[in-house]
Amino acid sequence: NAGVMQNPRHLVRRRGQEARLRCSPMKGHSHVYWYRQLPEEGLKFMVYLQKENIIDESGMPKERFSAEFPKEGPSILRIQQVVRGDSAAYFCASSPLSSSDVNYGYTFGSGTRLTVV
Amino acid sequence: GNSVTQMEGPVTLSEEAFLTINCTYTATGYPSLFWYVQYPGEGLQLLLKATKADDKGSNKGFEATYRKETTSFHLEKGSVQVSDSAVYFCALTLNQAGTALIFGKGTTLSVSS
Repeated sequence: NAGVMQNPRHLVRRRGQEARLRCSPMKGHSHVYWYRQLPEEGLKFMVYLQKENIIDESGMPKERFSAEFPKEGPSILRIQQVVRGDSAAYFCASSPLSSSDVNYGYTFGSGTRLTVV
Repeated sequence: GNSVTQMEGPVTLSEEAFLTINCTYTATGYPSLFWYVQYPGEGLQLLLKATKADDKGSNKGFEATYRKETTSFHLEKGSVQVSDSAVYFCALTLNQAGTALIFGKGTTLSVSS
């Protein structure tokens, strides 16, 4: 049973380019969360998605950032026109649908480390 | 609002020393509490959890007790090892399906032999 798969593991982009980060949740998990970890800081919630729906994007920057979780395929976090300040580790987590499993916790991927040069 | 406050690091200990990492929380309602560990270059792994007051979570020699009266969930280990060197995150979630985890800033633990 594969865990949460994120790719790429490392991503280097020049300023102004687009970055696409992918996350495949655990089998049977239909909730996906994206977090950003800046150097020397904790994890900051960005967005929570279910299949084809954005449930909570209160942590997403208003511009350049978007996320989707299509019916088929992985969840994608997209950053347009990247700037140096976007350099961070981006983690995806998934959790089960059932409310009875709410205390199960969340399974995290290994993250994508984005470096903007 | 809901938040988690952890003691600031880094925490530097010698092998076999006693470890405490403090964590307090603010939450509306009754949250579940977690400790996650992040080893260098890796993602977060769930270390232990507690879902209601007075519950004790334990794993790999680490323990934490959910204290409602002090809104705390301090992490302890009686004898640390070099392999415990990592960043430790305290987190909470409200007991509703699909709610996001709220993390503290993390505490870096460095254990030397």
